[in-house]
Amino acid sequence: NAGVTQTPKFQVLKTGQSMTLQCAQDMNHNSMYWYRQDPGMGLRLIYYSASEGTTDKGEVPNGYNVSRLNKREFSLRLESAAPSQTSVYFCASSDTDINEQFFGPGTRLTVL
Amino acid sequence: SQKIEQNSEALNIQEGKTATLTCNYTNYSPAYLQWYRQDPGRGPVFLLLIRENEKEKRKERLKVTFDTTLKQSLFHITASQPADSATYLCALDSGGSQGNLIFGKGTKLSVKP
Repeated sequence: NAGVTQTPKFQVLKTGQSMTLQCAQDMNHNSMYWYRQDPGMGLRLIYYSASEGTTDKGEVPNGYNVSRLNKREFSLRLESAAPSQTSVYFCASSDTDINEQFFGPGTRLTVL
Repeated sequence: SQKIEQNSEALNIQEGKTATLTCNYTNYSPAYLQWYRQDPGRGPVFLLLIRENEKEKRKERLKVTFDTTLKQSLFHITASQPADSATYLCALDSGGSQGNLIFGKGTKLSVKP
């Protein structure tokens, strides 16, 4: 099993450009999450999906949109990137409400 | 709103000693608390979960305690090794039904040989 995979690993954007971060899991998990991690701020939840077909806002959703394409895939879209969105983005999945979360390797995004 | 604090940004200890990391929280009573390890350039990896009705949980050289009166969890690594050097994150459930977690900022542990 590959676990949680994320693409791309690195990305540089110019302000105003758009892009989609891809995430897939092969563990048949119901819940999936998108976090951003910034120095001194820790992991902050952007959006989550408790099950296929549902998505909800987390702590810092502004400037992002998500799509739960199917049970395996959960994508994060930046419609108009801003320098404040420079960060490392992690996707995670979990089986039940209280089980541990499995994280992907992260996408390091720089917005110039 | 819930607040979670890991008291030390960094902790340096000598190999063979016990490392003790602290996680405090306020304004909430979580049903459970989790600890994760994160190595540079990688995603966090789950280590242990402890529920509110459990005082202590162990896994090999790891031990976690959960004191709901003090609103504190302690994470211990006994007989520490240089390979234990990493950032350790505590996370507590946010209180919703979706299993969302609130993460602390982490403590960077360095174990010197």
